[in-house]
Amino acid sequence: GDSVTQMEGPVTLSEEAFLTINCTYTATGYPSLFWYVQYPGEGLQLLLKATKADDKGSNKGFEATYRKETTSFHLEKGSVQVSDSAVYFCALSDRRDDKIIFGKGTRLHILP
Amino acid sequence: GAVVSQHPSWVICKSGTSVKIECRSLDFQATTMFWYRQFPKQSLMLMATSNEGSKATYEQGVEKDKFLINHASLTLSTLTVTSAHPEDSSFYICSARDSRGGNQPQHFGDGTRLSIL
Repeated sequence: GDSVTQMEGPVTLSEEAFLTINCTYTATGYPSLFWYVQYPGEGLQLLLKATKADDKGSNKGFEATYRKETTSFHLEKGSVQVSDSAVYFCALSDRRDDKIIFGKGTRLHILP
Repeated sequence: GAVVSQHPSWVICKSGTSVKIECRSLDFQATTMFWYRQFPKQSLMLMATSNEGSKATYEQGVEKDKFLINHASLTLSTLTVTSAHPEDSSFYICSARDSRGGNQPQHFGDGTRLSIL
C-alpha cells in the first residue's frame, strides 16, 4: 500500500542554518503531497502542499517540490528560526478516498 | 479560514469510564471526517473514517466496539472510547474536509489528550 518515509530525528540546528528534511513516498496512483507541522501540545497545521509533479509548495519560507521521478518531497528552508522548532510530518493523500497517510515525523530543534 | 474544533482538549478519567470526544467543522460542511490516534513521539495512525448518515469505516486492527463513532450531522462527528483503560491513553485528532470538494485541504482539530488512570 501507499507509504511515506521521512528522515529520522531529532534534527538540531543553529538559528539561521539551512534546513532539509528528506521525504520519499510510495503510491500506486498520483497522490497529493503535504507537509504538516505540529507545535508542542497542539494539533496539526498544514504547512504546504503540492498536487502534481513538479509543483512547488511554499509557505513561511519553507519549500518542497513534488518530484515524481525520485518520488520525493523534501522540505527546505534557507534560514531557520527558533520558532520553527516543532515536529514536521510528510504526508500523502490518495485522491480516491481522501485518506492521509503520514510519515513518522521529524522533530526539529533550533538553537539560538 | 476553515476551522475544526475538537472538544475536550484534555480529559483525565478513571479506568472503566467511557469518554466522548467531539469534532466540529465550524464554517463548512463535512460529509467525511477522520479520526487519528497519536502515541507520544510517534506519527498519526488513522483509526477510522466517519461518514455522515452511515456507519464508520474502521482501519484494520481498530476495535469498532471499543471506539464508537457517530456522524449525525454534516458538522459533527463524535468518538466515544468505551470502558477506557490505561492503554487507551493517547492523543486523538480529528480532521475534516469541506464537502464541496475540489482542491479543499483537510483541516485538523487541535487534538484531545486522553489520560486514563
